[in-house]
Amino acid sequence: QQQVKQSPQSLIVQKGGISIINCAYENTAFDYFPWYQQFPGKGPALLIAIRPDVSEKKEGRFTISFNKSAKQFSLHIMDSQPGDSATYFCAASIGGSSNTGKLIFGQGTTLQVKP
Amino acid sequence: EAQVTQNPRYLITVTGKKLTVTCSQNMNHEYMSWYRQDPGLGLRQIYYSMNVEVTDKGDVPEGYKVSRKEKRNFPLILESPSPNQTSLYFCASRPGAGASYNEQFFGPGTRLTVL
Repeated sequence: QQQVKQSPQSLIVQKGGISIINCAYENTAFDYFPWYQQFPGKGPALLIAIRPDVSEKKEGRFTISFNKSAKQFSLHIMDSQPGDSATYFCAASIGGSSNTGKLIFGQGTTLQVKP
Repeated sequence: EAQVTQNPRYLITVTGKKLTVTCSQNMNHEYMSWYRQDPGLGLRQIYYSMNVEVTDKGDVPEGYKVSRKEKRNFPLILESPSPNQTSLYFCASRPGAGASYNEQFFGPGTRLTVL
């Protein structure tokens, strides 16, 4: 119930295309869903995050779509660029008074954007 | 510059030889955490600390110890490392455990190989 399942494991997209990464969760107590971006040799860095009271959040070329009833959320990268080539992790956590700050991560998706 | 630092960045050791990976943050964050990253498994939490002298187990604590004697430092101790602890380790911090949606800041990682 604590798992977050992420797909695909790897993704190759042409420059200018749309990259889509999907995640699914079981625990309905999760109420914070961030996406982290990790470049080789670096630690993960927060890219964008959403709470379940909204169905979509957009920041520049990055959009999170959230489907509470299906317990799924996805990251869309519009106009993908070679500089977007990285590993992407979805995550989930529980807030409120029981907040331990623990992030439950998906398995990761390695994105390659070809020029 | 606000950052989380880890040392060493790379370490090769042998089974049973005690080691410590240091983590320090300069953002006056209350909450700190250790994760390990393994291919196909994403990041999994080892231990976390909600404040000085307060630590608790994450999802994969076996074989690890931590301490939080000062707010800025959160060392990870492997008293008798084994080959299954070969992994990429990340330290992370966030402002406070009480805030539900605060971003976690990750260090650059420590790649550990246990022979």
